[in-house]
Amino acid sequence: DIQMTQSPSSLSASVGDRVTITCRASQGISTYLAWYQQRPGKVPKLLIYGASTLQSGVPSRFSGGGSGTDFTLTISSLQPEDFATYYCQNYNSAPHTFGQGTKLEIK
Amino acid sequence: EVQVLESGGDLVQPGGSLRLSCAASGFTFSNYAMYWVRQAPGKGLEWVSGISGSGGKTYFADSVKGRFTISRDNSKNIVSLQMNSLRGEDTALYYCARSGTYTNALDIWGQGTMVTVSS
Repeated sequence: DIQMTQSPSSLSASVGDRVTITCRASQGISTYLAWYQQRPGKVPKLLIYGASTLQSGVPSRFSGGGSGTDFTLTISSLQPEDFATYYCQNYNSAPHTFGQGTKLEIK
Repeated sequence: EVQVLESGGDLVQPGGSLRLSCAASGFTFSNYAMYWVRQAPGKGLEWVSGISGSGGKTYFADSVKGRFTISRDNSKNIVSLQMNSLRGEDTALYYCARSGTYTNALDIWGQGTMVTVSS
């Protein structure tokens, strides 16, 4: 099975900051990588698929990059509603494993 | 409106069984793979199982393989997760989710149904 490792596990930042979260796959997954946002007590929301394609309705301050084993999620200017937990997911081959999550907190 | 709605969560004893259902509406159900993802209290997301649009292919996480089965009824727009030999570590909120139109990323999620395994 492919293991997905996110870093950091938690991150403190301020409104307006630029932040980047990294996700590493234990083997190459091309661009079969998705990012999700989960606010406390809420359902996960798809942000990005295909490593870099923004899901409809997601603000353009979110962007994704990478291919193979190394991927990034960048938020260009943090807004109050962005403080949440973010997960990457491999969907190259089953099982479609998730990373352990990165909790983004307000500094 | 495109949506999925889970049901069937309950309190069950270790070793017991439970069947979760997910009713879909607002889209051509048979065109989409469907998945179950779970989240233990205070923990991260764990991919559990998936089934192709036709139902001909099924997939499972190692943690549930041999204990869980997944099925779908395309005439009723329902996907089900049969869970047997339940363990304490299966306690979680179980989400049903749809694959995207052009991707196997999960674009539509239900609100989840809670499964608690405890004596």
